[in-house]
Amino acid sequence: AQSVSQHNHHVILSEAASLELGCNYSYGGTVNLFWYVQYPGQHLQLLLKYFSGDPLVKGIKGFEAEFIKSKFSFNLRKPSVQWSDTAEYFCAVTPVNTDKLIFGTGTRLQVFP
Amino acid sequence: EPEVTQTPSHQVTQMGQEVILRCVPISNHLYFYWYRQILGQKVEFLVSFYNNEISEKSEIFDDQFSVERPDGSNFTLKIRSTKLEDSAMYFCASSDRGLVYGYTFGSGTRLTVV
Repeated sequence: AQSVSQHNHHVILSEAASLELGCNYSYGGTVNLFWYVQYPGQHLQLLLKYFSGDPLVKGIKGFEAEFIKSKFSFNLRKPSVQWSDTAEYFCAVTPVNTDKLIFGTGTRLQVFP
Repeated sequence: EPEVTQTPSHQVTQMGQEVILRCVPISNHLYFYWYRQILGQKVEFLVSFYNNEISEKSEIFDDQFSVERPDGSNFTLKIRSTKLEDSAMYFCASSDRGLVYGYTFGSGTRLTVV
């Protein structure tokens, strides 16, 4: 069965620190990959997505992610976090030709000023 | 920016009762979805709906659940005979052209079964 693993459950950083959140998936075929963010009290919002092409994708608010096919990974990065990045971050995949997202358990990021 | 609206934001129900969770998708969207998140667990796909029928459903989406688009604007999830383990956050989402173009999620309804 397809699954997504996010190894960091809770990350605490100071402002201006660099961020990398891990995401690995298990699925033998072609997948589309996503990162969603959920700010406190708000809905899930798409940060970025990868379908094909350049494996380094840039999203909103300075986030980027790199798809490494050989490692089944799609890690999220940001060079310098801000207090406003405090949120829960979800990695998700969908096998090509389906319409459902398979989510990881999420990583709670807290950024202190 | 257009939003997906879910009501109520929190619902408490007695075990064995039926509940209807309501969603108003973005008006020109054609694809609709329900997901749920049990506290401390992953967000799980329940069902997708297009052209007035279910297009895909998960193993969780058994006879206890049903979805309906009763009019041109609402999209509902009905849970019959609720169980304690149905307590979760339920998210609705909609899309104009399917997942490849991204979906917009609602803020969720927290269902508590007591």
